[in-house]
Amino acid sequence: RKEVEQDPGPFNVPEGATVAFNCTYSNSASQSFFWYRQDCRKEPKLLMSVYSSGNEDGRFTAQLNRASQYISLLIRDSKLSDSATYLCVVLFVSGGYNKLIFGAGTRLAVHP
Amino acid sequence: GAVVSQHPSWVICKSGTSVKIECRSLDFQATTMFWYRQFPKQSLMLMATSNEGSKATYEQGVEKDKFLINHASLTLSTLTVTSAHPEDSSFYICSAIQALAGFYEQYFGPGTRLTVT
Repeated sequence: RKEVEQDPGPFNVPEGATVAFNCTYSNSASQSFFWYRQDCRKEPKLLMSVYSSGNEDGRFTAQLNRASQYISLLIRDSKLSDSATYLCVVLFVSGGYNKLIFGAGTRLAVHP
Repeated sequence: GAVVSQHPSWVICKSGTSVKIECRSLDFQATTMFWYRQFPKQSLMLMATSNEGSKATYEQGVEKDKFLINHASLTLSTLTVTSAHPEDSSFYICSAIQALAGFYEQYFGPGTRLTVT
């Protein structure tokens, strides 16, 4: 089983749609959680951290369920510029060092 | 925000040669840097964790003698791909961790595209 698993995608949605991405992680000792966005041939950029109480940043809402080891990202009112690959990322400590584990990513394509 | 640079941004080399990639944290000190590799249409794969002043920790399946990592200072880590082969062609990305008041921020470099001919 992969340490971080995401929806397979791709998601093709019209502008204005609401889209939800899901992610599960296997290591219960995971400490921090993030959603990153990666555009084609570019490095990942942090979209938002995910807090236990859930958090919102504009059109983006992230949720964490530690009991189910599940993370979600909701994008409302999709824009063309939201087209990218969204990476679910989990941080945990291993051997005294921090490790970030990336999901395979879910590709989102927003069309007019 | 914090900035991480990589050099070179792209490199083409012949099979059998070695290539060094630098990763620098420009405005903060990073005790930990990570090296990732990404093949087309795949996710980032962590190769190794680079800790200043100590040996790097390699992920399973990554040859430490082939991918030499040196983290000589708090702002510089280098990855050397030795005796490169075409299958080593990939997008190599580094990141650096900045510790801020009890939590961590990770910043990625822009990546280095390596093509081995």
